[in-house]
Amino acid sequence: AQSVTQPDIHITVSEGASLELRCNYSYGATPYLFWYVQSPGQGLQLLLKYFSGDTLVQGIKGFEAEFKRSQSSFNLRKPSVHWSDAAEYFCAVGADLFSGGYNKLIFGAGTRLAVHP
Amino acid sequence: DSGVTQTPKHLITATGQRVTLRCSPRSGDLSVYWYQQSLDQGLQFLIQYYNGEERAKGNILERFSAQQFPDLHSELNLSSLELGDSALYFCASSPSRQPEIYNEQFFGPGTRLTVL
Repeated sequence: AQSVTQPDIHITVSEGASLELRCNYSYGATPYLFWYVQSPGQGLQLLLKYFSGDTLVQGIKGFEAEFKRSQSSFNLRKPSVHWSDAAEYFCAVGADLFSGGYNKLIFGAGTRLAVHP
Repeated sequence: DSGVTQTPKHLITATGQRVTLRCSPRSGDLSVYWYQQSLDQGLQFLIQYYNGEERAKGNILERFSAQQFPDLHSELNLSSLELGDSALYFCASSPSRQPEIYNEQFFGPGTRLTVL
């Protein structure tokens, strides 16, 4: 069965520092991978997605993620964090036609990011 | 703003009651998904509709049902409510032109349901 693991529940970084949020997935076929961000009291906003092709994908707000098939990982990175990046970040995998599944998203438990000034 | 709208934003009700949550997808999106976000279960897929037809079910209780109307808006009906149904309910829509072909999902702001 598909699953997503986000090993870090909470991460605290200083403003201006670099950031890496970890995501590991379990999936038999080529995964569709996503990172979403949820600010307090808000819905989920798509940061970036990986469907195929270049394994380094660029997203909004200066985020990028790298798909590493050998490590079953899709880690999210940002070179310099801003205070406004404080939020909860969710990694998700989407089922595809060949998995026999359907188009649901399977989410990790989330990583809550705090940014110190 | 994702273009997906959900009403109401907040809903407070009592155990045993029935409520209806409403979702309007982005213009042109045929697929609608419902998710539940709770502290103990995290984000869980409930159900998918495509162009008025149910396409997939996830961890949706029998007390819950949904439908998608000809104008593509969707409603999630929750009945015989229990305390444990308190959660944030999200609707998402997708621009996929075929129900099985994957595409990104755009989420609405959610409806926070509190059952007292």
